[in-house]
Amino acid sequence: QSVLTQPPSASGTPGQRVTISCSGSSSNIASKYVFWYQHFPGTAPKLLIYRDDQRPSGVPDRFSGSRSVTSSSLAISGLRSEDEADYFCAVWDDSLSGWVFGGGTKLTVL
Amino acid sequence: EVQLVQSGAEVKKPGESLKISCEGSGYTFTNYWIGWVRQMPGKGLDWMGFIWPGDSDSRYNPSFQGQVTFSVDKSISTAYLQWSSLKASDTAMYYCARRSRDGYNEPDFWGQGTLVTVSS
Repeated sequence: QSVLTQPPSASGTPGQRVTISCSGSSSNIASKYVFWYQHFPGTAPKLLIYRDDQRPSGVPDRFSGSRSVTSSSLAISGLRSEDEADYFCAVWDDSLSGWVFGGGTKLTVL
Repeated sequence: EVQLVQSGAEVKKPGESLKISCEGSGYTFTNYWIGWVRQMPGKGLDWMGFIWPGDSDSRYNPSFQGQVTFSVDKSISTAYLQWSSLKASDTAMYYCARRSRDGYNEPDFWGQGTLVTVSS
């Protein structure tokens, strides 16, 4: 059981907007920035969103992040077939002095 | 370009030892913590710990303390994850990741993963 909770799957058709949630608790997400990663199996995961809603250079603005007190969301607008991948969230855990992760969401583009 | 390149898949028997590697390039290897992360089949990611390549200072997740050993060879910009006696439950994908220094602690670059299969 992962510390952060994500839906195991999500889907959408090309052009649609999909959102993936990441929920935690007052001891992790509530007080920390959330980071999102895109992962194509067999390759290195890629940083997609940092500090809740910031995009590294080169990440299309179709990808956006938002948050509430104990949850965060990754939104992908104008869905494309090449967005079909696994997405996971991460936060820093002060009590562990390390990383905690969501279980990952497999996005299918129908 | 920052890259972390991990060693290839391994198939081992219970009780055997194993050392997998993670070679960094495109940045000053000794200036960033390297983290190790486990993903068991069908499960989420588990942080195992960090190693500071500058002096091999290692910080283990208590869940992994005593089960694995981190090491580094600065001369070839490579970090290692080692087991002295593998168990079937060590079967997993293992990732290395660089811990960012840009004002936050989360991973900014990852390796492609090393699949370890332990089976008799």
